[in-house]
Amino acid sequence: DAKTTQPPSMDCAEGRAANLPCNHSTISGNEYVYWYRQIHSQGPQYIIHGLKNNETNEMASLIITEDRKSSTLILPLATLRDTAVYYCIVRVNTDKLIFGTGTRLQVFP
Amino acid sequence: AAGVIQSPRHLIKEKRETATLKCYPIPRHDTVYWYQQGPGQDPQFLISFYEKMQSDKGSIPDRFSAQQFSDYHSELNMSSLELGDSALYFCASSLGLSSGYEQYFGPGTRLTVT
Repeated sequence: DAKTTQPPSMDCAEGRAANLPCNHSTISGNEYVYWYRQIHSQGPQYIIHGLKNNETNEMASLIITEDRKSSTLILPLATLRDTAVYYCIVRVNTDKLIFGTGTRLQVFP
Repeated sequence: AAGVIQSPRHLIKEKRETATLKCYPIPRHDTVYWYQQGPGQDPQFLISFYEKMQSDKGSIPDRFSAQQFSDYHSELNMSSLELGDSALYFCASSLGLSSGYEQYFGPGTRLTVT
């Protein structure tokens, strides 16, 4: 699986959009970009995934660059409950998840 | 909606004892994954099963074994427990033939070895 690079930590004010970047310059053509988050000691939670098109669901939006070497997860209106570690993972669909160090997002009032 | 169920939620064992962790996937999900998360660490993949057959193996110690049963639930058996086995153990399930293959995680079992 391709390696990903994420900033170790980010802050975001409540009610503002949180934009979490991820670099995956060695991604292969058949690998998807997945985002998960883990709220303190809970099981990781699936957020969104995509191949090359931008995706949106009720939780977030995923913007993937045209060359697929990077992506951004957007939480449109961050709340205190969004404070968590966010993991960007690239994988072939049926593969295990390989968690990197992720981005620790702190949402403040 | 039904979620992944793990039992027990907490388990305390002594060194050299054995432990069995159970995972009940979301109904109709045919694939189960096991992950271990040590204190202050990120989750690490241990092993996975698809349709009751082992499909992938990660850094799982030889002291650990797992299987998936005909009702798709899975058990992780851990023997000769060591202090370093103290961790959160997560099970995740997915529907192998779905369009997304996203994995849904259970709440975890916290194992403490004393």
